[in-house]
Amino acid sequence: AQKITQTQPGMFVQEKEAVTLDCTYDTSDQSYGLFWYKQPSSGEMIFLIYQGSYDEQNATEGRYSLNFQKARKSTNLVISASQLGDSAMYFCAMRGLNSGNTPLVFGKGTRLSVIA
Amino acid sequence: NAGVMQNPRHLVRRRGQEARLRCSPMKGHSHVYWYRQLPEEGLKFMVYLQKENIIDESGMPKERFSAEFPKEGPSILRIQQVVRGDSAAYFCASSPGQGPEKLFFGSGTQLSVL
Repeated sequence: AQKITQTQPGMFVQEKEAVTLDCTYDTSDQSYGLFWYKQPSSGEMIFLIYQGSYDEQNATEGRYSLNFQKARKSTNLVISASQLGDSAMYFCAMRGLNSGNTPLVFGKGTRLSVIA
Repeated sequence: NAGVMQNPRHLVRRRGQEARLRCSPMKGHSHVYWYRQLPEEGLKFMVYLQKENIIDESGMPKERFSAEFPKEGPSILRIQQVVRGDSAAYFCASSPGQGPEKLFFGSGTQLSVL
């Protein structure tokens, strides 16, 4: 079974500054995938970035990057140069890869508010 | 290429009625997942289906809830005799089913039970 923990219910960041959203996970799978999704107030779930457990490099996608620390079982999302449009809920998720397709397991989320 | 389509976007039902939520996966995707989200909560897995098969329904309540993904047509999540506690956002996601790929989500159906 997998478990995701996001300990920051809410975060504030000044526009143009960088912000780190924390995520730790627990799994017995040797191979797994880690995901971050953004949910704006309109409600849709937008995929941001993916990290495989065997990827040696930290994933990056534009202004999004991951600080993946496998030994500590953490995969923190870093958003650089925050924009007002980044204000949203952010969910960390994972799925085990040892036994075929398994559902994504989500954390409770962090609400990010970007201040002008 | 259309994304995952869910309808209706909003559904209002009175206690005891039936709710039917529809999900058309992305073209070429044969794997569908249903999730439920309560306010200020993360998404909770309900059921995972492939065409004509339920693969994992470990997150779905044993009573009143059912799901199908027929050979033709959308996936349906059906809730019979709805209660106020069923009020939530229900999200459908799809994937092609080829490895550790991300899930593509629909915009969700907001179910309100009066």
